[in-house]
Amino acid sequence: QQPVQSPQAVILREGEDAVINCSSSKALYSVHWYRQKHGEAPVFLMILLKGGEQKGHEKISASFNEKKQQSSLYLTASQLSYSGTYFCGTEWGMYSGGGADGLTFGKGTHLIIQP
Amino acid sequence: NAGVTQTPKFQVLKTGQSMTLQCAQDMNHNSMYWYRQDPGMGLRLIYYSASEGTTDKGEVPNGYNVSRLNKREFSLRLESAAPSQTSVYFCASNSPHRNTEAFFGQGTRLTVV
Repeated sequence: QQPVQSPQAVILREGEDAVINCSSSKALYSVHWYRQKHGEAPVFLMILLKGGEQKGHEKISASFNEKKQQSSLYLTASQLSYSGTYFCGTEWGMYSGGGADGLTFGKGTHLIIQP
Repeated sequence: NAGVTQTPKFQVLKTGQSMTLQCAQDMNHNSMYWYRQDPGMGLRLIYYSASEGTTDKGEVPNGYNVSRLNKREFSLRLESAAPSQTSVYFCASNSPHRNTEAFFGQGTRLTVV
């Protein structure tokens, strides 16, 4: 099942903050965040792992609540370059001994930053 | 650095025609994936390959077949294209270890008329 993202869209002025949420009905092993600009491929932002480890972006932070099966992405002092669609991807499958079982992505959150 | 390369970038097919989307990665990744992206639906997993010689169905496999030709290449075949398969298709790969970033190709925009 796809994780649920909220909000569906956000419009901000440059310098404002935004929070994007991702929740799953299944127990999560990890949460990935990606950003996609129009007409381009998704680009990795960060990974949050069960147990609290994070890997990723310097200027964007995120949290992972394992009990609630939720993750939030925090965009502070937003810049024009932050505009795009943000996707969370979740891993919940059993490790199959060779690689991941594939990320299940939410429907995305459209972020528009205005000058 | 090429990363993940998909061909073709654009394709128009008539209903019932067949075609193969090609994907190759040069990062020595074990895992490779095919996603489709439709407006308002996000990225949905069609098939994945955890390692050379293995493939598994994802969320929306009907109407598609895949081949993991070798460690580098993972192709997606539409045997009899339908208008419902009009979409943007992305191939992705990640390293042998779990919880590493996935790298995406630039996508194939497919229209079935």
